[in-house]
Amino acid sequence: QQQVKQSPQSLIVQKGGISIINCAYENTAFDYFPWYQQFPGKGPALLIAIRPDVSEKKEGRFTISFNKSAKQFSLHIMDSQPGDSATYFCAASDEGGGNKLTFGTGTQLKVEL
Amino acid sequence: KAGVTQTPRYLIKTRGQQVTLSCSPISGHRSVSWYQQTPGQGLQFLFEYFSETQRNKGNFPGRFSGRQFSNSRSEMNVSTLELGDSALYLCASSPGIGGIIEKLLFGSGTQLSVL
Repeated sequence: QQQVKQSPQSLIVQKGGISIINCAYENTAFDYFPWYQQFPGKGPALLIAIRPDVSEKKEGRFTISFNKSAKQFSLHIMDSQPGDSATYFCAASDEGGGNKLTFGTGTQLKVEL
Repeated sequence: KAGVTQTPRYLIKTRGQQVTLSCSPISGHRSVSWYQQTPGQGLQFLFEYFSETQRNKGNFPGRFSGRQFSNSRSEMNVSTLELGDSALYLCASSPGIGGIIEKLLFGSGTQLSVL
């Protein structure tokens, strides 16, 4: 049972543009929502994360928007750069789950010059 | 500070064989988790160990097992390999207590190919 749905599967953005990736979850017990970035040959690296007590979190060019009532959250990458080209995964976990993350299916982002 | 170290980096096995993968966590981290990554199923949680005890387990068959040693290093074992076990196996470590998941760091993985 897929508990975190991610879209789109792939995304092409022009340099300087905004990249937007969306995720939706089902389990209302989830209380931690991270985004991971993965380059080929590497493991996922934490990009930014949010908890349900806030609706938005910004770190540099990366912003998470969180809508608790709709059970949705999204990643916005402002001023996208070619170096941002990677696969992005949303994930979720609940307090009792330890380090168990439920991942979305991933979005392959390509930023073109 | 060294990151999460996984060995070997690549592995080729034949159906029916068994395999052992190793993970050395970041110094001071006491929790080790394992994930399987495949193109079809994405990233899936296998299990987590803390202080040599399995703390959480995903929905994988009993052929997948793991253990953790007193120095926090961990191994995972897959017995009777199947073609579908071909995947990137990722290890992640965290302090284990106090805001653990925010400090979760992944290794680069072991790419297992089953022929």
